[in-house]
Amino acid sequence: ETGVTQTPRHLVMGMTNKKSLKCEQHLGHNAMYWYKQSAKKPLELMFVYSLEERVENNSVPSRFSPECPNSSHLFLHLHTLQPEDSALYLCASSQAPYNSPLHFGNGTRLTVT
Amino acid sequence: SQQGEEDPQALSIQEGENATMNCSYKTSINNLQWYRQNSGRGLVHLILIRSNEREKHSGRLRVTLDTSKKSSSLLITASRAADTASYFCATVNNDMRFGAGTRLTVKP
Repeated sequence: ETGVTQTPRHLVMGMTNKKSLKCEQHLGHNAMYWYKQSAKKPLELMFVYSLEERVENNSVPSRFSPECPNSSHLFLHLHTLQPEDSALYLCASSQAPYNSPLHFGNGTRLTVT
Repeated sequence: SQQGEEDPQALSIQEGENATMNCSYKTSINNLQWYRQNSGRGLVHLILIRSNEREKHSGRLRVTLDTSKKSSSLLITASRAADTASYFCATVNNDMRFGAGTRLTVKP
């Protein structure tokens, strides 16, 4: 049990679908992150929230839309995705942005057909 | 770039042997962190070493940091089959950047 729960674990969607990934942390942390992990590439930081405010957006395409309604929940809304968006999407949380260890969920394996 | 780069990309050893993985980076850092990832799972934090520290230990893990060479190493002693995983370093300055990882296989 990691303390960070992601749902669903697997998702297959067509290019015209709209879906959402959900992340919940039970650790009382103040920062939450979305990372994208593609095969044989470094983890790509997508979004960072600190105290429910977005503090970083690494030029992510607008077809990815994050939402952080409170410090325990983080969503990633997906629409009009491309096949190259297929990847493992990892959510993480930490006490403070970056300078404390990240706790990761087990990810959502996304396949775009 | 600030992003760490692990070396080697893949490492295969026998159970009981030591495994050493290296991480190099190019800019100044506040701290450097090592993580492990088992196949299909999330990353698990192993050790955080701050820029003013040179060495840290945790069980069978030993991490060193040489800021003059901009490099760090992770040593796993007396490896076990359960240590088979990918290992990542992450460099922290204004953000956190991960490398592509070292894939470690420990054969029983």
